[in-house]
Order: sequence, then structure tokens, then C-alpha cells
Amino acid sequence: GAGVSQTPSNKVTEKGKYVELRCDPISGHTALYWYRQSLGQGPEFLIYFQGTGAADDSGLPNDRFFAVRPEGSVSTLKIQRTERGDSAVYLCASSFDSGPTDTQYFGPGTRLTVL
Amino acid sequence: AQSVTQLGSHVSVSEGALVLLRCNYSSSVPPYLFWYVQYPNQGLQLLLKYTSAATLVKGINGFEAEFKKSETSFHLTKPSAHMSDAAEYFCAVSDRSNTGKLIFGQGTTLQVKP
Repeated sequence: GAGVSQTPSNKVTEKGKYVELRCDPISGHTALYWYRQSLGQGPEFLIYFQGTGAADDSGLPNDRFFAVRPEGSVSTLKIQRTERGDSAVYLCASSFDSGPTDTQYFGPGTRLTVL
Repeated sequence: AQSVTQLGSHVSVSEGALVLLRCNYSSSVPPYLFWYVQYPNQGLQLLLKYTSAATLVKGINGFEAEFKKSETSFHLTKPSAHMSDAAEYFCAVSDRSNTGKLIFGQGTTLQVKP
């Protein structure tokens, strides 16, 4: 079956612009996660959805970052007034449930470059 | 707070040699631990996970890891490296909340020399 997909695979934007990153989880997975991976680092948690609601957004770095999952499937991560420090690979993962031992399946990521 | 530390950002082995990638954790509660692999231009793929059953966990592609509470370690091993094992490897701990979010180490790049 299809895995987690993310679009676009690459996004180059200018400082101050608005960007949207999309994640299509595995069908039937109720839990969805966004992580950010900076160069040479491990992924860092941003936000978690259970169904349509953001159950934990404690990892969002500031109020320029926002994410939605309106129908409990596709999710969009939105970044306003982008800064050069936002450049990173943004990873999406989904799992059947959100238990601490559930396997998260990752997409290939969106590489965001802010010039 | 929980955390993991991967010792060695780069590890180089010869093809056919033992692979040992180190991971130590810090946790105030019994941890759930994971190893993921990331091949170039691909998403992270689960190799194996420890969920408090057997302390020796076998994963895909011949990898295994042993949970050692006394050493707070969860090192990843493979008896004989293949060229196809060259990738970046991440150790992670689950925060054990209802969210299931993962806390990752910095990663170890494995190079396999012919």
C-alpha cells in the first residue's frame, strides 16, 4: 500500500514569504506527526494530531508556525514570514494509533530553503 | 525529561565487519526505544523497537539491539556489514505520554568500505 507522501519535495522561498507543506498519511492512520530535521541533527517534534485536533503543539517554535488537519487525513504545515533559520527538512509521520509503542511511518520529507 | 545520546556521529567499517552503533538513554521511567534508518532521499524506516518485552530485539536486515538497564544503553549491532547498510541511523525514545512523540538522538552516519 501507499506510504506517507509529502509535497513538495523541495521548496525554495524568500525570507518573509508564506509557505505551505502538505502531508498525506497512510490511509486509516489516526495519528499524525510533524518533525523538523536541521542539518546534522535528529528530527525534532513539532506537533501531533489525533484525528482532526492538534493534541500537542508544544514543539512549534513560535506563532509563525501553524498546522491543520481539517478532515482527519491530510495535514498542512503553514509557516508565515519565513526566516532563514526555518531552513530544514520537514518530516511527516503517521501511525495507526498514538500509543508510546506504536510505529510511526515517515514520509520522505520536504526540504525547505529560505533565501 | 527523556533524551538519547548517540556516541559517534560517524562510524566507518569494512564490508563484512561488525557494526556497532551506540545509543544511551536518559529516562525517569522505563523507556520505549527505537532505532530508525534513513537512506538518502528516503523517509526514516523503523529497524526495531524495544517495548519492555525481550531485552534482545531483532529487527530487519539482520540488525539487533540489546536493552541494558544497568548501562542505560540500547546499542545497535549487525554481525557483518553490507555495502547497502551505508545510511544514517537514529536512536529514539518515546516520551511515554498519550502522544507517542519521539525524541531522537543526533544520528550516526555509517560508512561501509569495500
